[in-house]
Amino acid sequence: DQQVKQNSPSLSVQEGRISILNCDYTNSMFDYFLWYKKYPAEGPTFLISISSIKDKNEDGRFTVFLNKSAKHLSLHIVPSQPGDSAVYFCAANNQGGKLIFGQGTELSVKP
Amino acid sequence: SQTIHQWPATLVQPVGSPLSLECTVEGTSNPNLYWYRQAAGRGLQLLFYSVGIGQISSEVPQNLSASRPQDRQFILSSKKLLLSDSGFYLCAWREGGGRWQPQHFGDGTRLSIL
Repeated sequence: DQQVKQNSPSLSVQEGRISILNCDYTNSMFDYFLWYKKYPAEGPTFLISISSIKDKNEDGRFTVFLNKSAKHLSLHIVPSQPGDSAVYFCAANNQGGKLIFGQGTELSVKP
Repeated sequence: SQTIHQWPATLVQPVGSPLSLECTVEGTSNPNLYWYRQAAGRGLQLLFYSVGIGQISSEVPQNLSASRPQDRQFILSSKKLLLSDSGFYLCAWREGGGRWQPQHFGDGTRLSIL
C-alpha cells in the first residue's frame, strides 16, 4: 500500500522555464509535506515543506502547493536552472513523526 | 550549526559477513535518529528510528538491527549479510521534542553484497 506516489519517474524542462513536480497521497492524516532534492551518491537535501493547514509555501524559486481535497502536492521551480537537475522526492509526515516517501522524479533541466 | 556524518561511503562485503555502519550528529542534543534504505529506482524506506539512547523502533522485519549507544551515535548492524541487503543506506536526524522539524540526511553508504 503506497501512501505517497510520484507517478512521473522523469521530467525534462528547458532552462528558464517552469518545472512542475507532482505527488499524490492517500492518508488524510498527514500533517506536513516535504520536498527533498537528491544528487547521485549523496543524501537527500531538504528543500521546502508545507503544513497541512496551508495551501501554499514559497521560498525563492521554489513554491509548494497543497490541494487537500484532491490529496495532491506539487513543487514549482521558476525559473529552472541546469543545477536543478536531480531526483526530487516528496514525503509526508505521519502522526508518529515518520516520513513516508514517494519513489522520486528525476528532473533534467536542459540549457 | 548541526552536521551529520556517515561512514563508510561505500562498502563491498561478502554474503554471510557482519556489518556495522555508523552515523554521528554534531551540534544538537537528544535528536531523533533514523536509518533508511533506498533500493534501486525506489523511494526511501524507513528501517529504524530512535528518540533516545537505547530506544530503538523497528519498522520492517529484516536481517538488520540498530543501536544507539550514545546520544548522537546511531549504528546499523548485521551478523550475517544477505544478497538482498544490498542498497543505499541513509542516516537522518531531526530535532527532538514536540515542535515539528524536517529530517536532515547524511550522504549515505552504498553497500554491495557479493
